[in-house]
Amino acid sequence: QLVLTQSPSASASLGASVKLTCTLSSGHSSYAIAWHQQQPEKGPRFLMKLNSDGSHTKGDGIPDRFSGSSSGPERYLTISSLQSDDEADYYCQTWGTDIVGTGIVVFGGGTKLTVL
Amino acid sequence: EVQLVESGGDLVQPGRSLRLSCTASGFTFGDYAMNWVRQAPGKGLEWVGFIRNKANGGTIQYAASVKGRFTISRDDSKSIAYLQMNSLTTEDTAVYYCTRDNSGTYSYFDYWGQGTLVTVSS
Repeated sequence: QLVLTQSPSASASLGASVKLTCTLSSGHSSYAIAWHQQQPEKGPRFLMKLNSDGSHTKGDGIPDRFSGSSSGPERYLTISSLQSDDEADYYCQTWGTDIVGTGIVVFGGGTKLTVL
Repeated sequence: EVQLVESGGDLVQPGRSLRLSCTASGFTFGDYAMNWVRQAPGKGLEWVGFIRNKANGGTIQYAASVKGRFTISRDDSKSIAYLQMNSLTTEDTAVYYCTRDNSGTYSYFDYWGQGTLVTVSS
């Protein structure tokens, strides 16, 4: 079963870096994912598509402070030089098929990032 | 500039129906699959369903939680995607977002609308 697992929360200091993790379920370690950011009281925004080899394609206007990397079933989002408006919920998303071969889209539970 | 604007959210009683619209601009609508995603109050994102573009058969898939009650459609001539919601329950209370898929089938979402609120309550 295709599942994405994220830690519920993370925190880091203003100006520092933070690495968020999204873990693909067993048997799905080659899957690409997407990262989305949702600032408080706003709709989500696409950050990047991240492939299993670590290559990534960013959305419009996403600054270089946001980068992605991969290792096995883990997909990472690194945010450097943290700013106050990076405080947000971060969701990973992937796509595939369910046990009967029907197309599905899956979200992780989200990580709430607090900038201290 | 790609824009997605949802409309049609409202307060409705359990058991009733509601239709949401997603009006797109800034891209060739017919080239892309479209999705609906919802977010219950204080909760995470939940995929509702997608509709492929016509080149990929225009086929539709739904999440198990809405299958048989919700229907997604599209009008490429108007650049609008629809979500028809029937037999609504309080569990369907959420902000509903439409998203553009990066492909004509289904993959990742590269643009999101601002959302429209559906409240199901007596």
